[in-house]
Amino acid sequence: DTAVSQTPKYLVTQMGNDKSIKCEQNLGHDTMYWYKQDSKKFLKIMFSYNNKELIINETVPNRFSPKSPDKAHLNLHINSLELGDSAVYFCASTLSRGIAGYTFGSGTRLTVV
Amino acid sequence: ELKVEQNPLFLSMQEGKNYTIYCNYSTTSDRLYWYRQDPGKSLESLFVLLSNGAVKQEGRLMASLDTKARLSTLHITAAVHDLSATYFCAVDSRLNDYKLSFGAGTTVTVRA
Repeated sequence: DTAVSQTPKYLVTQMGNDKSIKCEQNLGHDTMYWYKQDSKKFLKIMFSYNNKELIINETVPNRFSPKSPDKAHLNLHINSLELGDSAVYFCASTLSRGIAGYTFGSGTRLTVV
Repeated sequence: ELKVEQNPLFLSMQEGKNYTIYCNYSTTSDRLYWYRQDPGKSLESLFVLLSNGAVKQEGRLMASLDTKARLSTLHITAAVHDLSATYFCAVDSRLNDYKLSFGAGTTVTVRA
C-alpha cells in the first residue's frame, strides 16, 4: 500500500488554466506539506497543515490555494497557471510535526506550456 | 531563517574509493535528515540524526552530526555504481515551525 500518494503523476497544461493536485496519506499522520522542487532540484516548502489547520504559508503567489478536507488529505489548487509554475510538487506527511520523520509522495511533474 | 548549505554540489566518484558530503546549517535545529533521490523519483529517507555526536550507518553510508559545529557529514565507503543519486540534507526546528529546510543537494555519479 502506498503511504503517501499523489495524483496525477504528470500534468501538462496550458498557461492560464486552473489545475489541482491531490494527496492522500494512510499513515495516520496529522501534518501534511506541499513542497516545490524546481529545475535545479532545489526543494522549498510551500504550505503545511496540521489537523486540517493551515500552520505554514510561505511566500507563495495567492494563485496557489491548499485545501485539507481532513487530516489524511491535502490538495493543491493552482489558478491561472504560468510558465514559472513548471516544477515537481511533492506532498509529504509526518506525525506531531516531525517526530515520525517525513514521508514523501512520488511527486507530480507539472509542465505549463 | 534556517539556511542549509551542502558541498560539494556535484561529486564524481570512482568505484571503490571513499568520499564525504558536508552539510552546514545556520541555526539551532532539532533534527537533521539525509535523503536520497533517484532521477524522476521521490525522496527516500536515509538517516535521522537527533543529537550531538549521533552516528548512523547503513551499508556503505554513514552519517554523523556535530551540533556545536552545526555540521553533518555523509560518508560513502568504497563507492559502487548503485549509489549514484542526488543526496539531500535537511533540518527542522521548533523555532522554525518545524519547516523542513533543504540543502541544494549533492549529485553523485559513480564511475567504474
